Amino acid sequence: GAGVSQSPRYKVAKRGQDVALRCDPISGHVSLFWYQQALGQGPEFLTYFQNEAQLDKSGLPSDRFFAERPEGSVSTLKIQRTQQEDSAVYLCASSLDEARAYEQYFGPGTRLTVT
Amino acid sequence: GNSVTQMEGPVTLSEEAFLTINCTYTATGYPSLFWYVQYPGEGLQLLLKATKADDKGSNKGFEATYRKETTSFHLEKGSVQVSDSAVYFCALYSGGYQKVTFGIGTKLQVIP
Repeated sequence: GAGVSQSPRYKVAKRGQDVALRCDPISGHVSLFWYQQALGQGPEFLTYFQNEAQLDKSGLPSDRFFAERPEGSVSTLKIQRTQQEDSAVYLCASSLDEARAYEQYFGPGTRLTVT
Repeated sequence: GNSVTQMEGPVTLSEEAFLTINCTYTATGYPSLFWYVQYPGEGLQLLLKATKADDKGSNKGFEATYRKETTSFHLEKGSVQVSDSAVYFCALYSGGYQKVTFGIGTKLQVIP
């Protein structure tokens, strides 16, 4: 079946612009995660949803970052007033449910470059 | 908190050489351990996992054994191929709806 998809795959934004990154998880997957991967680093956790509920947002680096999943499927990560340090690959992952949150399926990521 | 330490790359090997990528971890409780692989231009893929001490995860000729006494989960392959060239991430998950904690990744380049 279809895997996790993300769009756009690449995004260039001028500093100060707002961006919105989309994630389509695997159909039926309850849990959804966002990660930030800086160049040469491993993914760092940003936030977690179970259905439409955002249960953990402890990894969001600032109040410029906001994520939502209003209907419990598609999720959007929004970054307001982008800064150069926001340049990274943003990864979305989904898992079947909380019990299997260890088995996460990753999308290809969105590479954000802030100029 | 949880953390994963893995050897820095890049690692360059000739085809058919033996591969070891070291990984150690710090975690509360009894985490599950993973190796993920990221091929050029692709997303992260789960390579193998082990959920309890002394378990051995294996896939595509890669193996790793969960060693609680040394808090390690080293990745090994007996004979690497050019197609194994990728970045390998060691990771752990410690239960509930906790996030997965990743190491920094080790780039492997296999030359013919």
